[in-house]
This record gives sequence, C-alpha cells and structure tokens, in this order.
Amino acid sequence: EADIYQTPRYLVIGTGKKITLECSQTMGHDKMYWYQQDPGMELHLIHYSYGVNSTEKGDLSSESTVSRIRTEHFPLTLESARPSHTSQYLCASSDSRQTEAFFGQGTRLTVV
Amino acid sequence: AQSVTQLGSHVSVSEGALVLLRCNYSSSVPPYLFWYVQYPNQGLQLLLKYTTGATLVKGINGFEAEFKKSETSFHLTKPSAHMSDAAEYFCAVSVPLNTGNQFYFGTGTSLTVIP
Repeated sequence: EADIYQTPRYLVIGTGKKITLECSQTMGHDKMYWYQQDPGMELHLIHYSYGVNSTEKGDLSSESTVSRIRTEHFPLTLESARPSHTSQYLCASSDSRQTEAFFGQGTRLTVV
Repeated sequence: AQSVTQLGSHVSVSEGALVLLRCNYSSSVPPYLFWYVQYPNQGLQLLLKYTTGATLVKGINGFEAEFKKSETSFHLTKPSAHMSDAAEYFCAVSVPLNTGNQFYFGTGTSLTVIP
C-alpha cells in the first residue's frame, strides 16, 4: 500500500487567495512529482524534484511553485488562485530507479 | 525520447467479454512499462508493471499485459470484464537509471462495462 498523502482532498477557494497543497510520503523516495489533470483528461507534469533543494518545472507551464526542504515533503503553492487553476492535482513519488510511481489520492481544487 | 500512445480514448465492452486496451511506446532504450487504473476522484493505482524478465506480467484484479519488443507494445487484457472494471486506464513508461527522465503517461482510455 502506497504511503503518500495529499491534503486537502477537496478545496473550494475564492479568486486571489493564496493556497498550498500538501504532499507527503513516508517511503524515503528521492523523486517526487506534481501532475495536473482536468476531468477525464491526461496527466500533465507541472513540477518535479530529484531530492532536497532540487525542483524543476515540468512539461506544462504552471503559475504554481514548489519547494523541497525535506525529503518527505513536496508542497505546491499558488500565490493568487484564479478560476483557470481549477483542476485535480496529483502528487507522486518514486525511488531512484523509477520502478514504480506511487500516487496520492489527489486534491480537487475549485477556484470561484 | 520516450512517448506513449494509447489507441482508443473510449472502449466499451459487455460484462463478461474480453477487455483489450492498447498501448504502444517509443523509447531509445529498454523501458519500464506500467498500467495504472484511476477511479473517479482518486489517484492512480498500479495494475501491473514490466521491468525485466518474463514478458507476460500479471497484475491485480485479473489483468495481465504482454511486453512485445518487436511491436513496441504493452497491451492490457482481461478475459472477462466486470462492472467494477469501469475506470480510466493509463499506460506509462519510464527509463531506468537516468536522472534526467520522467514517467511518461498516455492520454488514457476510459473503459465502460455494459451490463
């Protein structure tokens, strides 16, 4: 069973608010990822990290930012939420050999 | 470069019928291959994976897939569909031991099971 957790599961927030989506894993994985997924659509990689103090932007441009101060924690922040940010955000982690990606349950964000 | 193509964004089968979801990949080196399932408002759950060894891999819920290098395919099958199999299925690849690479996902196939 995967030990990767995302909070909150659901969030409805007003335009202009700052939000942080939390992601934690207890597997000691070096690699962590954030994907954005619109309903019924493919996954788009928006950020990834290969270890502490390492963060990179993914294939899909995003106004969000991430940090990796601790191995187990990879939060995603939106400084000023907009309706266009409404989506599902999936966090994942993997070991260095990438033999499997473990996913959290996701955060469904709605910006009104 | 790596990429994944899933043929058919929507597949419908009758309950009890064979399930076949197609996946082709391109990779410059031997990849690891995965099938994930996603239920509504959930994350992705690993169904099965191929890393090395036997090319026919068995996963959870009666699914299996066969790695065919000559066809660059990794199609997912299940002999008899169940209503609970209705979900979104994603094929994915990763290239091992290369810190510059990611997991590459297909666009997904939505499986509908007709009673």
